[in-house]
Amino acid sequence: SAVISQKPSRDICQRGTSLTIQCQVDSQVTMMFWYRQQPGQSLTLIATANQGSEATYESGFVIDKFPISRPNLTFSTLTVSNMSPEDSSIYLCSVGPGGLGGYTFGSGTRLTVV
Amino acid sequence: RKEVEQDPGPFNVPEGATVAFNCTYSNSASQSFFWYRQDCRKEPKLLMSVYSSGNEDGRFTAQLNRASQYISLLIRDSKLSDSATYLCVVDSGNTPLVFGKGTRLSVIA
Repeated sequence: SAVISQKPSRDICQRGTSLTIQCQVDSQVTMMFWYRQQPGQSLTLIATANQGSEATYESGFVIDKFPISRPNLTFSTLTVSNMSPEDSSIYLCSVGPGGLGGYTFGSGTRLTVV
Repeated sequence: RKEVEQDPGPFNVPEGATVAFNCTYSNSASQSFFWYRQDCRKEPKLLMSVYSSGNEDGRFTAQLNRASQYISLLIRDSKLSDSATYLCVVDSGNTPLVFGKGTRLSVIA
């Protein structure tokens, strides 16, 4: 299965600032997915990033708040813009489906907004 | 009704015990089913896919009941290292993966 390098692993940010999270995959993949996992909750899909087209956002998530780049088939970034404490969460990228139909996740970015 | 429901636990079991987790899903068109394991402060990792006929991987057995829209995971001879949160995940094909909130397992020496 694919190997994903995600960074930063964690950050503490001031409200009103922005943070860009990067994911690098060791193989070319058509779709990359960005998730949020709030404390004690399960994963919620933010958007699907396809190379060469705009990302597709899920209900409740907008491009102005979570702009995504997908410049090639192995890399994507998610920016959390104009952050507030409510954005404190773990953000994960994912690719798939791979073998057995499952999905592989990056190691996550633990974001705290103060 | 939530799309994927799991008993949140925690399940506290002694080493060597057998423990079973259940998961129900609401979308009858769901096509693929998975169990993921998530350790504290780590990303989810695929534990096993769930097939209609049921499947086994060592101490782990997964079963699917499409009629009842029900998935189960059985862990035999529990080890300390099995302590984690187990996520039930459902793939309906054209819609995003749906994750349950997870069931927390603590295996105690």
